[in-house]
Amino acid sequence: AQSVAQPEDQVNVAEGNPLTVKCTYSVSGNPYLFWYVQYPNRGLQFLLKYITGDNLVKGSYGFEAEFNKSQTSFHLKKPSALVSDSALYFCAVRDSGSGGYQKVTFGTGTKLQVIP
Amino acid sequence: ETGVTQSPTHLIKTRGQQVTLRCSSQSGHNTVSWYQQALGQGPQFIFQYYREEENGRGNFPPRFSGLQFPNYSSELNVNALELDDSALYLCASSLRQGGLAKNIQYFGAGTRLSVL
Repeated sequence: AQSVAQPEDQVNVAEGNPLTVKCTYSVSGNPYLFWYVQYPNRGLQFLLKYITGDNLVKGSYGFEAEFNKSQTSFHLKKPSALVSDSALYFCAVRDSGSGGYQKVTFGTGTKLQVIP
Repeated sequence: ETGVTQSPTHLIKTRGQQVTLRCSSQSGHNTVSWYQQALGQGPQFIFQYYREEENGRGNFPPRFSGLQFPNYSSELNVNALELDDSALYLCASSLRQGGLAKNIQYFGAGTRLSVL
């Protein structure tokens, strides 16, 4: 069974400072990893994904994530936080071996609060 | 915007009733997944449809059922509603080609269901 852990319910960071939102995962095969963001009363918006290749993945709105296979982690990062980045962030994983069946497992989410 | 639309946006039902939620996929997408997101939780996979057939299912009872139509739009039906069914229901569309699922799922804004 695949699973995702987001150990922090909330992360607070000052505007302009770098931010990190943590994620660890567990899958039986090679992982496909994703980050999504959710604003209040909205659906999830895709930020970035790791499928294969470079361990540093760049995504939307200046976000990036670092894949670390030995630590089974996929932390989301941004060099300089904006107040508008305040939202709920979800990490998700899918086993690459599941072929056409696209069951994606989400973490419980981390609320990011950027303080002006 | 993702191009995935869901209706209605809000719905109030009473215990024991039945409900149908609708989803219109992003143009060109042939796969639809449904998720349940309870308050304060991450989305939980309900099932996925590809070519009008259920392609995978999460840990949800049979009273959760779905349909996918030739135009790839989809419905989620829930019978015998229970209080715990109160949640945000999210639809996500994606593209599957040649037996492999393209990995990015695009989400609608969701339908918030309240069961009284």
